[in-house]
Amino acid sequence: AQTVTQSQPEMSVQEAETVTLSCTYDTSESDYYLFWYKQPPSRQMILVIRQEAYKQQNATENRFSVNFQKAAKSFSLKISDSQLGDAAMYFCAYRSVPNTGNQFYFGTGTSLTVIP
Amino acid sequence: EPEVTQTPSHQVTQMGQEVILRCVPISNHLYFYWYRQILGQKVEFLVSFYNNEISEKSEIFDDQFSVERPDGSNFTLKIRSTKLEDSAMYFCASTERETQYFGPGTRLLVL
Repeated sequence: AQTVTQSQPEMSVQEAETVTLSCTYDTSESDYYLFWYKQPPSRQMILVIRQEAYKQQNATENRFSVNFQKAAKSFSLKISDSQLGDAAMYFCAYRSVPNTGNQFYFGTGTSLTVIP
Repeated sequence: EPEVTQTPSHQVTQMGQEVILRCVPISNHLYFYWYRQILGQKVEFLVSFYNNEISEKSEIFDDQFSVERPDGSNFTLKIRSTKLEDSAMYFCASTERETQYFGPGTRLLVL
């Protein structure tokens, strides 16, 4: 089975600064999807950004971008110009490609604190 | 924007009782999932459901669990005889393609 590792249980960042959250994964598959989800205190998980493994270009969504290193099996999330509303638990997730119904594999999460 | 909804938001039950957690997936989605998150731990897959049958399940999803789509909109998770270790947040998700959309969760507490 695939495994997803987030080695930073907690991170903090000063408001308006940049922070990078780490994620590594283990798989023998060549094609897959990677995701970052945000889980604020309200507890609902919200999609932040998605990366398709066959695409070399790193995904970007406004202040959120990823550094996808396929050979190293690394998928880090960079948050630029951090805002107080970015404070949340962030989960990295992996999904195989072939079957749309495939489950997600989640990391253990990184709790991000934004300091005013 | 369409959302996955779940009811109830919180449920407290006695050990050994049956509980039913309800979810309304996004209307045009075809694949449905249940995940659980024990406090402080990672989100774990329980089961996926497609075309009115289970397509995949984890080792957590044993005989005490069942899922059902009783009508065109609801997707339910039944826990037949709850145990203390079933206390967790249960998330429903649905998908049309590669991205899963999650509901707000039901916090289940078994006493």
